[in-house]
Amino acid sequence: NAGVTQTPKFRILKIGQSMTLQCTQDMNHNYMYWYRQDPGMGLKLIYYSVGAGITDKGEVPNGYNVSRSTTEDFPLRLELAAPSQTSVYFCASRHEGHRSSSGNTIYFGEGSWLTVV
Amino acid sequence: KQEVTQIPAALSVPEGENLVLNCSFTDSAIYNLQWFRQDPGKGLTSLLLIQSSQREQTSGRLNASLDKSSGRSTLYIAASQPGDSATYLCAVPLPSGANNLFFGTGTRLTVIP
Repeated sequence: NAGVTQTPKFRILKIGQSMTLQCTQDMNHNYMYWYRQDPGMGLKLIYYSVGAGITDKGEVPNGYNVSRSTTEDFPLRLELAAPSQTSVYFCASRHEGHRSSSGNTIYFGEGSWLTVV
Repeated sequence: KQEVTQIPAALSVPEGENLVLNCSFTDSAIYNLQWFRQDPGKGLTSLLLIQSSQREQTSGRLNASLDKSSGRSTLYIAASQPGDSATYLCAVPLPSGANNLFFGTGTRLTVIP
């Protein structure tokens, strides 16, 4: 099993450019998430999805967009990149939601390092 | 708003020592609490999940405890090894609303051979 795969691993963008971070999971998970992690800070939720065709905003959605056309894929789009979007981005997935009592494990990708200059 | 705090931010111990990492949260109405490990340049790996009805969970040399009334959780690592060197983060779900995990800022652990 590949688990959660993110691409690209590293990217440098110029201010105002756009790009898409790709995320794919092969575990048939319903829930998928995009987080960003800034130096010395905890992870913050950007967007999440509870299934194909359903997405919702997290804590810090401004400047980002997502789509979930299939169960496997959950791309994150950055429009008009800004220096404040320099960060490490993590995609994650799990079978059920965080409040599930079944204790299902959440799986993270290895991260995408993005620098906006 | 839920706030999750981990102190200290960094910790160095000699190999073989037992150690405790701390996690505090402000809203005790949590469903569960998770501990994660993050290696440099890598994603997070789930270590232990404690349900709100439980007091502790164990996995190998790791033992996590939860005291909801005091808003605290601890991760105990027995007989530390250099391979335990990593950043350890705790996280709690929101009690309601968006499907979100609130993460602490983590404790960077270095185990010195």
